[in-house]
Amino acid sequence: NAGVTQTPKFQVLKTGQSMTLQCAQDMNHNSMYWYRQDPGMGLRLIYYSASEGTTDKGEVPNGYNVSRLNKREFSLRLESAAPSQTSVYFCASSGLLAGGKDEQFFGPGTRLTVL
Amino acid sequence: GENVEQHPSTLSVQEGDSAVIKCTYSDSASNYFPWYKQELGKGPQLIIDIRSNVGEKKDQRIAVTLNKTAKHFSLHITETQPEDSAVYFCAARLGSTLGRLYFGRGTQLTVWP
Repeated sequence: NAGVTQTPKFQVLKTGQSMTLQCAQDMNHNSMYWYRQDPGMGLRLIYYSASEGTTDKGEVPNGYNVSRLNKREFSLRLESAAPSQTSVYFCASSGLLAGGKDEQFFGPGTRLTVL
Repeated sequence: GENVEQHPSTLSVQEGDSAVIKCTYSDSASNYFPWYKQELGKGPQLIIDIRSNVGEKKDQRIAVTLNKTAKHFSLHITETQPEDSAVYFCAARLGSTLGRLYFGRGTQLTVWP
């Protein structure tokens, strides 16, 4: 099992450009999440998808859109990148494990710089 | 929503000493409190968690305590080793929101040999 995979690992954009961050999980999890991590700010939730076909806003959704393509894949799109979106982006997934435990697994992250 | 505060933001200890990181939460409806470790250049990884029906949980050198009345929980690492150096995040989950976590701002732990 690869767990949670993210592409690309690194990306540099110019202000106004658009791009899509890809995320996939092979653990048959229902829920998927997109976070951004900035120095001293912890992990802030951008959007999440509790199940295939549903998406909801998190704490910092402005400037982003998401698509839950199927149960495995959850993409994050920046339509018009701004320098304030320079950050490390993490995708995560969670689902009920044996014994009722619900653990959130994170991908390796995408480092995005917007010039 | 929930508000999680974490202290300290940085912590330096000598190898073999203990380290304690503390978090408070605001919503008494929160019922699940995981701790994540993030090594440089990697995604966070769950190291231990506790649910609101338990006061303490141990796993080898790490332990977590929960005080529901005071709405705070702590991570304790004993006999620290250089490989414990990382950023640690606490989080809380409201009972009604399956999966969604609210994170603290993180603690950079450095263990000096």
